[in-house]
Amino acid sequence: EAGVAQSPRYKIIEKRQSVAFWCNPISGHATLYWYQQILGQGPKLLIQFQNNGVVDDSQLPKDRFSAERLKGVDSTLKIQPAKLEDSAVYLCASSLAVFGTANGYTFGSGTRLTVV
Amino acid sequence: DQQVKQNSPSLSVQEGRISILNCDYTNSMFDYFLWYKKYPAEGPTFLISISSIKDKNEDGRFTVFLNKSAKHLSLHIVPSQPGDSAVYFCANISRGTSYGKLTFGQGTILTVHP
Repeated sequence: EAGVAQSPRYKIIEKRQSVAFWCNPISGHATLYWYQQILGQGPKLLIQFQNNGVVDDSQLPKDRFSAERLKGVDSTLKIQPAKLEDSAVYLCASSLAVFGTANGYTFGSGTRLTVV
Repeated sequence: DQQVKQNSPSLSVQEGRISILNCDYTNSMFDYFLWYKKYPAEGPTFLISISSIKDKNEDGRFTVFLNKSAKHLSLHIVPSQPGDSAVYFCANISRGTSYGKLTFGQGTILTVHP
């Protein structure tokens, strides 16, 4: 099966600019996650979707970050305006299961964002 | 709130020897602990997991041990191979929190020397 697709792979922007990331999950996977991984840290959940509804966005900085999942398939994550501390790898993941399973879920390759 | 800690930022091992990666946690309310492996410029990939009701799970060269009284988890790789060089993350799926959320440790960089 095809994996989780993310684009772009790399992005460099200036602070205060806006940026958007795109994710296409594995076909049939109802649950989609966006994680932020800052260098030297583990991935941190930003937002979780179940189909096109938000399950958990408690860690999403809503003053600058937004995400949507139209039609319960693809998802976009936007940052506006970007700050230097947003430099990180943004990982998308998807899962067939609603609740966690022993196999976790499948991650995409991520988008590396550098804010200068 | 669940916290997962990997206190060793890096580990260097000779090929053929055992690699032991460690992880500590604070909250006992979890269903599974998982280990993920991450190569540069790739996303994390699932390696092995252990249920909260078990104390050991083995898959080929990889064995995970769970010590619930010490709230400690370890991953053993025997024998270690140069291709095992990567960042290893432990993570758990908690009970009672949002559906399937993974909480990750900070990661340990494993380097296996030929």
